[in-house]
Amino acid sequence: EPEVTQTPSHQVTQMGQEVILRCVPISNHLYFYWYRQILGQKVEFLVSFYNNEISEKSEIFDDQFSVERPDGSNFTLKIRSTKLEDSAMYFCASSEARGNTEAFFGQGTRLTVV
Amino acid sequence: AQSVTQLGSHVSVSEGALVLLRCNYSSSVPPYLFWYVQYPNQGLQLLLKYTTGATLVKGINGFEAEFKKSETSFHLTKPSAHMSDAAEYFCAVISGNTPLVFGKGTRLSVIA
Repeated sequence: EPEVTQTPSHQVTQMGQEVILRCVPISNHLYFYWYRQILGQKVEFLVSFYNNEISEKSEIFDDQFSVERPDGSNFTLKIRSTKLEDSAMYFCASSEARGNTEAFFGQGTRLTVV
Repeated sequence: AQSVTQLGSHVSVSEGALVLLRCNYSSSVPPYLFWYVQYPNQGLQLLLKYTTGATLVKGINGFEAEFKKSETSFHLTKPSAHMSDAAEYFCAVISGNTPLVFGKGTRLSVIA
């Protein structure tokens, strides 16, 4: 069964460092997403990506964040200068279309900023 | 804008007892509703979804949910809890082409 894969599963980084979280969406999906879950809080939408550009983003997704699809398979989230409050579980998801369609989620990357 | 409210951050049931996890939503257009489950140290797995048609939807692992428009609810139930059901459960809504919006989650504990 096709699945969304994320690497690494856990990353520890020092405050101020840049991190790149990687995702391989399901191959025939066209829409890609990043969500964040701070420990003990709800899963929050960060950004959606379609046709090589951002289609929607939340207020959390500020200038410190960027997304890229560098090749035909990977979808990355970059945080330029990490802050303590960026510590969270980051989920990648993909779907065939927008709206009433299932989004398939990866296992998540736990980012710890120290 | 759409939103989701899950009543009860933690629900504890005995093995074999009824599971009821509550979800209420707000949406200005007909919503699409989802329940996701997150087992410890794992990702989000779709349990079931409502888009159109039959308001009672069945999902994996014996769970089902009923869409009640008049009550703006989409509660998740399972007749008999199993130890393996212990997990975090998230209700989520899509309205139109907006991204999926999640509730805060309900942690289900099952007591032997």
